[in-house]
Parts: sequence; structure tokens; C-alpha cells
Amino acid sequence: QKEVEQNSGPLSVPEGAIASLNCTYSDRVSQSFFWYRQYSGKSPELIMSIYSNGDKEDGRFTAQLNKASQYVSLLIRDSQPSDSATYLCAVLTGGGNKLTFGTGTQLKVEL
Amino acid sequence: ETGVTQTPRHLVMGMTNKKSLKCEQHLGHNAMYWYKQSAKKPLELMFVYSLEERVENNSVPSRFSPECPNSSHLFLHLHTLQPEDSALYLCASSQVPGDEQFFGPGTRLTVL
Repeated sequence: QKEVEQNSGPLSVPEGAIASLNCTYSDRVSQSFFWYRQYSGKSPELIMSIYSNGDKEDGRFTAQLNKASQYVSLLIRDSQPSDSATYLCAVLTGGGNKLTFGTGTQLKVEL
Repeated sequence: ETGVTQTPRHLVMGMTNKKSLKCEQHLGHNAMYWYKQSAKKPLELMFVYSLEERVENNSVPSRFSPECPNSSHLFLHLHTLQPEDSALYLCASSQVPGDEQFFGPGTRLTVL
């Protein structure tokens, strides 16, 4: 079982729709979770961090965490073509020093 | 700009060459990281430094040798690399290990 799993996509959504990106993780003691956005040919850019169960909102982005189900998600409201990128889920594991990344989900927002 | 810079941005080297990658952070952070990103694979953590001490070495071959002379600078010395080492090498920093990490633009390495 992979430590951090994401559907590679591509996930296609129409402009203005809600994009839902999902991530599951295997380490039950993980406490810190991050979403990064990576445009083609660029480095990852931090979008959101979440540490507690529930929802955390920042502008058009909402991160959701359910530790019991070992599940974290990212919702993007009013999706724009500029949101088209690969979204990486990252989980802090290994005693707190190691950030483990999923393979990423490619999002395509279509006009 | 994230406050983390990397040089060079692109590097082509032969298998017998020796080269170094440089990373500098202007964020006042105490932890720095090297990652490798290959096509179709997740980001792989290579090394973690906290206050210039190596705290994580993720089973990386000895042909990769890190150096952290101070909390703002991180190097990755390369020697006798293999073609499969061709990848994007990313540097990141955080206030402390486990905190939010900010990435530099990366060095695209090609080993011939």
C-alpha cells in the first residue's frame, strides 16, 4: 500500500464548477497535511495546510480532513482555467521529519 | 518568488563529471531539504537538514553528497552519476522540520 494515494487523473471540470481532489494516507499517526499546486515545468507551490479534523477555507479553496478515515481532500470552487495544474497531497510522516507526497492529480478546467 | 533560489536552473553532465547544485533561502528558516522529482513518480525526499545537521538521509546513493554550511545554504555535490539520475532536483525550506515547506524553482538535471 502506498503511503499517500491520489488518483492521477486527469480530472476534467467545466469552468465555474467545483473541483474535488482526494487523497488517502496510510500512517495513522500523521498530524500534518498539505496541498501543493504544480504547474507544468514549475516547482510545487503551497496552497493549504490542515492539521485538525473538519474543513479549512481559504478563498476559493477548502481543505477537508477526516483522520478516522485517513482521508484529506481539496475543493476548488468556481474553477478557472488558471487552476489547471497537478495537485499534490503531502502528509507528514516518519516521526515528523519526512513529508511524503502522492503522485498528484492532474486537473483540467475547460472553457 | 518563494524566497528559495536554486542554481543552476539547468545542468547537463556526463557520467564522469563532478558538479554541484546550490540552494539559498532568504526566509530565515532553520530546516532545508533536497527532493528528486522524476516523471510519473512522486517527489522523493533525499536529505533533511535542521540547523545545519543532517536529520534524515533517505537511502540515497553515495554519488549524491549533501553539504549544509549554514542555515541559509544547501549544496548537493554530484559525481559519477547515472542516466537514471536525470530528474528535477528541488530544494525546499521550512521554519522547523515538519512545518510548511517552500520550494525553490528546481534544477533540471540531464545525465548523458
